[in-house]
Amino acid sequence: DQQVKQNSPSLSVQEGRISILNCDYTNSMFDYFLWYKKYPAEGPTFLISISSIKDKNEDGRFTVFLNKSAKHLSLHIVPSQPGDSAVYFCAASKYNFNKFYFGSGTKLNVKP
Amino acid sequence: SAVISQKPSRDICQRGTSLTIQCQVDSQVTMMFWYRQQPGQSLTLIATANQGSEATYESGFVIDKFPISRPNLTFSTLTVSNMSPEDSSIYLCSVVPGAGELFFGEGSRLTVL
Repeated sequence: DQQVKQNSPSLSVQEGRISILNCDYTNSMFDYFLWYKKYPAEGPTFLISISSIKDKNEDGRFTVFLNKSAKHLSLHIVPSQPGDSAVYFCAASKYNFNKFYFGSGTKLNVKP
Repeated sequence: SAVISQKPSRDICQRGTSLTIQCQVDSQVTMMFWYRQQPGQSLTLIATANQGSEATYESGFVIDKFPISRPNLTFSTLTVSNMSPEDSSIYLCSVVPGAGELFFGEGSRLTVL
């Protein structure tokens, strides 16, 4: 039973344009949501997070939006750069942080 | 944040052997987790390593196959026992040092022949 889902296995975007990565979850008890970026042969790197009491969090080129009623979050990258090409995972947790649930990942390719 | 060092970074092993992966953190942490990423798959939690007590395993993972040690708040080991080609994966150590973000080590890429 996958509680966090990323339905798009891949996304291709032109450099300078916006990348939008989507994530859905099923458990309404989740309080905290995170996005990670992973290059091949490296561990996942934390990008940005959002608490369930917010609907938006921004950090430089990265913005995460949370729609609790739809159980949906998205990561916007503006402008996209070739170095952003990686696999992006969304994750969710309750506030006790004793378990994190991951989506299956979306491979982003930013074309020069 | 936290700096997490894993050893080995990669290894090629023969079927039926065992390999122990070490994870060292630069600060004391309560929560330490071991994940696996099989080729083309997501991150799957194997177990939570508890200091001073037995690890808590997720469904589908058992202590005999994946014994874990957690002797103190900065160190843990994961052993992959009696390996088969299906165990070929990246094994990742991760911690929650404080405010909720989960930080990962670089991973240990295991290939079983």
